[in-house]
Amino acid sequence: DVKVTQSSRYLVKRTGEKVFLECVQDMDHENMFWYRQDPGLGLRLIYFSYDVKMKEKGDIPEGYSVSREKKERFSLILESASTNQTSMYLCASSLIRGVGQYYGYTFGSGTRLTVV
Amino acid sequence: AQSVTQPDIHITVSEGASLELRCNYSYGATPYLFWYVQSPGQGLQLLLKYFSGDTLVQGIKGFEAEFKRSQSSFNLRKPSVHWSDAAEYFCAVAPRGNTGKLIFGQGTTLQVKP
Repeated sequence: DVKVTQSSRYLVKRTGEKVFLECVQDMDHENMFWYRQDPGLGLRLIYFSYDVKMKEKGDIPEGYSVSREKKERFSLILESASTNQTSMYLCASSLIRGVGQYYGYTFGSGTRLTVV
Repeated sequence: AQSVTQPDIHITVSEGASLELRCNYSYGATPYLFWYVQSPGQGLQLLLKYFSGDTLVQGIKGFEAEFKRSQSSFNLRKPSVHWSDAAEYFCAVAPRGNTGKLIFGQGTTLQVKP
């Protein structure tokens, strides 16, 4: 089975800190995604990547950036953490995109980030 | 606007009762359709998916879902709910020809009464 590993389950950071959330997948998936999950809002896409060094903005990219230097690793960066970024962050990966080739995502267990 | 709607934020059913969770989507063409489940403190697990063909799809844990094109719906069902089914359920769509992005509904929290 594909495994998606998020390095931390819980993080507490201070306002203004630069925060790195790490995600690693072990099945050579091309696509990787970062979502945040908030009660009543479901999952909202922050950024995604189709290949190494490629990235595209999702629906709520403000205040975030990403890095994908290796195929298996996709990092989410909060340049200057704020309290409104307190949330659950979920990483996912999937096989190559394309009509008829869509297999859904495999998710990590999530990182619950609290910014104080 | 393209959207995925789960009309029920919270549902409570008795153990052994049947369950139906609703999902409606608004897209120009039939997208790929998914249901995920999230147990407390866990990531999301795929229950089932619909790409084409038979409109009634079977998934894991005894769940099934029916795609109805005329209603733009993809409702999740289970004939008899178990206490372990208490979780949050997400409907999701991936528009065909899209970049592979998955768009989620707001989620439905299922509580199971003994």
